[in-house]
Amino acid sequence: SAVISQKPSRDICQRGTSLTIQCQVDSQVTMMFWYRQQPGQSLTLIATANQGSEATYESGFVIDKFPISRPNLTFSTLTVSNMSPEDSSIYLCSGGQGNYGYTFGSGTRLTVV
Amino acid sequence: AQRVTQPEKLLSVFKGAPVELKCNYSYSGSPELFWYVQYSRQRLQLLLRHISRESIKGFTADLNKGETSFHLKKPFAQEEDSAMYYCAFFGNEKLTFGTGTRLTIIP
Repeated sequence: SAVISQKPSRDICQRGTSLTIQCQVDSQVTMMFWYRQQPGQSLTLIATANQGSEATYESGFVIDKFPISRPNLTFSTLTVSNMSPEDSSIYLCSGGQGNYGYTFGSGTRLTVV
Repeated sequence: AQRVTQPEKLLSVFKGAPVELKCNYSYSGSPELFWYVQYSRQRLQLLLRHISRESIKGFTADLNKGETSFHLKKPFAQEEDSAMYYCAFFGNEKLTFGTGTRLTIIP
């Protein structure tokens, strides 16, 4: 299964600024997903990122706040824009295809002050 | 809408006892189901896929379409099984997670 490198692993950011999180996959994957996970809670899907098309956002998440790029089948970025303390969370990317399963990056722990 | 339900947030089991973590889903099509595990301070890992019908670390899970369930089972719990377990569902081109069950194995 694919191995995903995610960076940064953590960051502390000032409110009003933006942070871009990167995920690099060691093989081509059809689908990539971005999630948010509050400590001790489950994963909430932010959006699905497929190469060659606009990302599909879940209810409560919008492109202006969380722009996503997927320039090829091995790379994706998520930007958290105009951050506020409520954006403090762990952000995760995932990639894979079909019923082979989906692997995860190690996560980005974001703290907004 | 597709949904994955894990009814137990917490589950404590004595070492050597059987383990069953429940997962139910709702979906009108053919589901692709997975179990993920997250050990303390580690990344989320794929544990099982329903399509492979395999046993990993002694765990098995059988898809029951009649009951729309995909329960995770292990006959004899080990202390290293303590972790957070998530049932996940792929359908409508997205991967959706249940709320998770924290399994604690009591020595």
